[in-house]
Amino acid sequence: EVQLVESGGGLVHPGGSLRLSCAASGFTFSNYWMNWVRQAPGKGLEWVANINPDGSGKRYVDSVKGRFTISRDNAKNSVYLQMNTLRAEDTAVYLCAREASLWGRGAQVTVSS
Amino acid sequence: EVVLTQFPLSLPVTLGQPASISCRSGHSLVTSDGNTYLDWIQQRPGQSPRRLIYNVSNRGSGVPDRFSGSGSGTDFTLKISRVEADDVGVYYCMQYTHWPHTFGQGTKLEIK
Repeated sequence: EVQLVESGGGLVHPGGSLRLSCAASGFTFSNYWMNWVRQAPGKGLEWVANINPDGSGKRYVDSVKGRFTISRDNAKNSVYLQMNTLRAEDTAVYLCAREASLWGRGAQVTVSS
Repeated sequence: EVVLTQFPLSLPVTLGQPASISCRSGHSLVTSDGNTYLDWIQQRPGQSPRRLIYNVSNRGSGVPDRFSGSGSGTDFTLKISRVEADDVGVYYCMQYTHWPHTFGQGTKLEIK
């Protein structure tokens, strides 16, 4: 089955860290750009980061630059988002997306004291 | 950052009637090689997003032909020829011509 499954979400204190994972299956993972998109409670969608097929190119939205790192392991068909120095405004459902054509169900990240 | 402005933000529609959503970009979405990377995304209540339309007017896999996209440059439209109950949700336009990629605010479609 063609799918993306996120994991690693949870509750973390401000200033803390979390690592999200996204496992892909059913397609040739190494052919695609992969993305992280987030949706804050009751809000719209915001692109967070993306990475090119071989992992050599990464881009971030300004609000997470220097704090978040996207990476991938094509041998494991997985993409990751390392999130450091988390803030309350990072609270959101984080969605993994294969370009824009396939989306996961998301992982909830809550930053609160 | 490229701002995408959608209207209307709320769209009550009678079953079987047509619906239309507009998306206006603050910058041209045409690339130097002539492509336009503007998609339409549907998010049904409690579900993951689903791509309906890519590159302005191409329907995604399994998308009914009731859905169509059009436009060019900075002005784009999503049309639903006959709204069904299953179409309830929020619709976003999305551009990936420029980084950061951006979404419109979303249009909430409901059944009247």
